[in-house]
Formats: sequence, C-alpha cells, structure tokens
Amino acid sequence: GAVVSQHPSRVICKSGTSVKIECRSLDFQATTMFWYRQFPKQSLMLMATSNEGSKATYEQGVEKDKFLINHASLTLSTLTVTSAHPEDSSFYICSASPEPYNEQFFGPGTRLTVL
Amino acid sequence: GQQLNQSPQSMFIQEGEDVSMNCTSSSIFNTWLWYKQDPGEGPVLLIALYKAGELTSNGRLTAQFGITRKDSFLNISASIPSDVGIYFCAGQLRYTGANSKLTFGKGITLSVRP
Repeated sequence: GAVVSQHPSRVICKSGTSVKIECRSLDFQATTMFWYRQFPKQSLMLMATSNEGSKATYEQGVEKDKFLINHASLTLSTLTVTSAHPEDSSFYICSASPEPYNEQFFGPGTRLTVL
Repeated sequence: GQQLNQSPQSMFIQEGEDVSMNCTSSSIFNTWLWYKQDPGEGPVLLIALYKAGELTSNGRLTAQFGITRKDSFLNISASIPSDVGIYFCAGQLRYTGANSKLTFGKGITLSVRP
C-alpha cells in the first residue's frame, strides 16, 4: 500500500535556528503533497499545498517566508521552518496523493520543539 | 480556516457497545472521509465516501455520506479497546488539484472502558 515517511520523527532546536523536515512517498509518485500543523488536542490545519516543480500554495495566515516548502521531485517535499520560535513548536504532518486517485496518505508526523 | 463540526470533544463507552459520531458542515463537500489518529502518529484513513447518500462499511465501521452533502456519520459497532483514539472527519471538494485539500473536523477522542 501507499506509504509516506517523514524525517526526522522528533527534533529539538534552539530559538532562531532553522529546521528542515522531509516528506517522502516511498512506493508511489506524488504530484501534490500537503503540509499540516497540529497543536496539542487540536485538529490538523493545512499550511500549504506543495506541487512538484512549482511554488507552493500557502493557506491564509501562513507565512511563506518562514515556512519554506520545496517539492523538488515526485517523491520528496521538504518543509523548512526558518528562524524558529517556541510558538512554532508543534506536530507537523505531511500527506501525499498518488494521482489520479484522491485518497491522501499521511506521514507519521514530526514533533518539533523549539527551546 | 474553515473547520467541520464534530461534537462532543470526548466520548466514553464500554467495551462491546456501539458508538456513533456525526460531522456537519456549513458548505457542501463532494467527498467525505473518516480518519483515526493514535497519539504521536499521523491519521489513518478508515472510510472514504464519494457519493451523496452512500453507505459504506469497513469491518465494524459504517459511514454514510449525507444527502445534502453537508454531513456524514461514522458508526463503530461492538467496540474493542484498540478503537481508542481520535476520530476526525474530513471534507474534500475535488479529486485533484488545489481543491483536493482536506478540511478537517476538530476530532472526537474515544475512550473504551474494558
């Protein structure tokens, strides 16, 4: 079945540093990948839609210069949190669709803690 | 951003009981999905519904796509301890492209007493 991986699973960084999170579709190609953020006891909130070979589409209120998304290949999208602050601490989850199917498969998530 | 309505936030049931969860929206969706999330993990798809009025089963799970396309329900029968987790509903407007993004409900935390 379709498997999506994320790396790292957990990361702790100091305030002001940048952190890169990888999302890979392991056994299918994904033209579109999605990045979500989930705070404790809350729902998943879509941050951006990542399209291979083009610029990501960000949701309202999400700073594109702070959350850099690169979708360089059909199996890899990266999210870089720049100049991280403690309020960026959250659970970041990606998903991918093996188009033309509409089902989204989710990665296991990355727990980011900014000290 | 928009969220779907799920309530209550938490449900507590006895092992063996059935439980039903509802999800409503102020706008229509063309696809409804139900996910389960365990702590510290990503959501896993349980059931996908593609047509208004559709009733679909997956083992002990049954879900229906409302006729108005603004609601859906999920029923779990004969609950077992491993049913514990957070259940999210999600709506999707289109199959592909930018409008294939998912809008999630707030989730319902289900606890099952042995």
